[in-house]
Amino acid sequence: DADVTQTPRNRITKTGKRIMLECSQTKGHDRMYWYRQDPGLGLRLIYYSFDVKDINKGEISDGYSVSRQAQAKFSLSLESAIPNQTALYFCATSDFSDRGRGEQFFGPGTRLTVL
Amino acid sequence: GENVEQHPSTLSVQEGDSAVIKCTYSDSASNYFPWYKQELGKGPQLIIDIRSNVGEKKDQRIAVTLNKTAKHFSLHITETQPEDSAVYFCAASIQAGTALIFGKGTTLSVSS
Repeated sequence: DADVTQTPRNRITKTGKRIMLECSQTKGHDRMYWYRQDPGLGLRLIYYSFDVKDINKGEISDGYSVSRQAQAKFSLSLESAIPNQTALYFCATSDFSDRGRGEQFFGPGTRLTVL
Repeated sequence: GENVEQHPSTLSVQEGDSAVIKCTYSDSASNYFPWYKQELGKGPQLIIDIRSNVGEKKDQRIAVTLNKTAKHFSLHITETQPEDSAVYFCAASIQAGTALIFGKGTTLSVSS
């Protein structure tokens, strides 16, 4: 969905490097999410944020941190990348279910390779 | 926490046949069950969802059924077409607009 953008789209890095993945949205949604996709494992929740001052851990937050710089921006950081963090990363946004359908809209993904 | 199981992991059908994908969930507090379609190189996109106060929902060739007692829900695609080929994910959450727990996905292949 063009309303949710992720940068970079592809990234190759080395073990031990710090890397940041960025997500921006123009949908005006308060809620933002980071998921990781691995073959055969589906999408797993890393972190989520219900507003600028709210950050919550998901299923697999170890080794990751996030920053909600503004309503429209949510960044995911790997402080010291390791090879098993090689995956496809998706950002998503949603509205409150009281205001809308609560549907999550996904970005195009960032393919990260850690050598 | 919630756990979502999805079956089968792969499904091959002939064009025009029906396809059924099944999911079970563990948390009885879950009330929102969306289905996403992911095409190659793209992010998942919602195709249909159902809330716990409804047992079935239909949108053209796609339908979803929910059995809260048994904690399972299913996606039904009728009259399949080659463009239905994709990876399908089920998910569950307490309510729409909250974090989702996904199944592991089903790769659907529709051959003409």
